[in-house]
Amino acid sequence: SQQGEEDPQALSIQEGENATMNCSYKTSINNLQWYRQNSGRGLVHLILIRSNEREKHSGRLRVTLDTSKKSSSLLITASRAADTASYFCATDASGSNYKLTFGKGTLLTVNP
Amino acid sequence: NAGVTQTPKFRVLKTGQSMTLLCAQDMNHEYMYWYRQDPGMGLRLIHYSVGEGTTAKGEVPDGYNVSRLKKQNFLLGLESAAPSQTSVYFCASSSDDNYGYTFGSGTRLTVV
Repeated sequence: SQQGEEDPQALSIQEGENATMNCSYKTSINNLQWYRQNSGRGLVHLILIRSNEREKHSGRLRVTLDTSKKSSSLLITASRAADTASYFCATDASGSNYKLTFGKGTLLTVNP
Repeated sequence: NAGVTQTPKFRVLKTGQSMTLLCAQDMNHEYMYWYRQDPGMGLRLIHYSVGEGTTAKGEVPDGYNVSRLKKQNFLLGLESAAPSQTSVYFCASSSDDNYGYTFGSGTRLTVV
């Protein structure tokens, strides 16, 4: 069963614009993570936000978490063509024994 | 550091054949996972391990077996391959110190 669901499924923007992706989940969590996957490659861990955190930054990435709404957002600022990839949220549900459940992803296309 | 290495990268099997996918990590991670990725389905957990000598079922374990005889290796076996097992298989590992997963580059398996 999918714990996290990303929205939108696909997003196309111009280079330099900001990209926002959202993730909703169903149960209580220990943490929520975001991953990037370039076409034909493995997933790369981007950022982790714990259940007691509300916002986290890493370079051009900003992640927010609202546990009352069971939702998270990933903002990529000043996007570049190299940011073109699929982005997945993954939840470490409470009591899951370190297992992550992934959403279906958002395909981001950044046009030069 | 090689990180997580998966072998083979590509394989074509005939229905009913068996094979083993090997995952090796050199980061001394306790936890290892096997996921499959299918179009429109995201990543689904097949089996996982929380330490050497331990294995547990994930979301879609049927038709697969696993073994973790050494801490650095996690093997995924298909005893009698079926076309429904055509997929891209990803291995990942993680630790208590950093809950983010490190993924391998994947194995693309086609069962004909």
